[in-house]
Amino acid sequence: ETGVTQSPTHLIKTRGQQVTLRCSSQSGHNTVSWYQQALGQGPQFIFQYYREEENGRGNFPPRFSGLQFPNYSSELNVNALELDDSALYLCASSPSFQDYGYTFGSGTRLTVV
Amino acid sequence: EDQVTQSPEALRLQEGESSSLNCSYTVSGLRGLFWYRQDPGKGPEFLFTLYSAGEEKEKERLKATLTKKESFLHITAPKPEDSATYLCAVRDDKIIFGKGTRLHILP
Repeated sequence: ETGVTQSPTHLIKTRGQQVTLRCSSQSGHNTVSWYQQALGQGPQFIFQYYREEENGRGNFPPRFSGLQFPNYSSELNVNALELDDSALYLCASSPSFQDYGYTFGSGTRLTVV
Repeated sequence: EDQVTQSPEALRLQEGESSSLNCSYTVSGLRGLFWYRQDPGKGPEFLFTLYSAGEEKEKERLKATLTKKESFLHITAPKPEDSATYLCAVRDDKIIFGKGTRLHILP
């Protein structure tokens, strides 16, 4: 069992640029969700994918988008980066969208300057 | 509006001093309440899921309980390695996290 891995671990981008973050789900998990965690805050739900289809979304603008691939790995894309997008981005996977024993990765720390 | 409020924001205890963390919630239709532990620079680690009022779950020195409006995470005789941020989350049609309680256990 390999757990959830995220890449890169740290990233610095300039305002207005685009970024892609990657996540490999735990083996056997077909559901993946993404969260944004600002310093000192709890994670905020961005969206969730189940078997390559988005099946839930939080209050984030359309410039936050995602993909889930047939091997259940996932990407989070953010366009037109803003300074407030600086945060820890967490990916979590689960054996099914009805099972919320989610396993989290260690996150990608994104800094927008 | 769905909300999750955790208290206290921070808690310092002596080793062996038992205490409880609170998570109060307002959701239209609770479909699960979750407790996670988060160490600095790491992702949250799943601890418990509770689904209905009256339910209790235990793991080592931790015990989680649930009522219709709140959940408690009881920590019995904590050790320094229990120091972490404890996060509560609820699910209705999406998952909502609280801001967490930063727990520090002094040796």
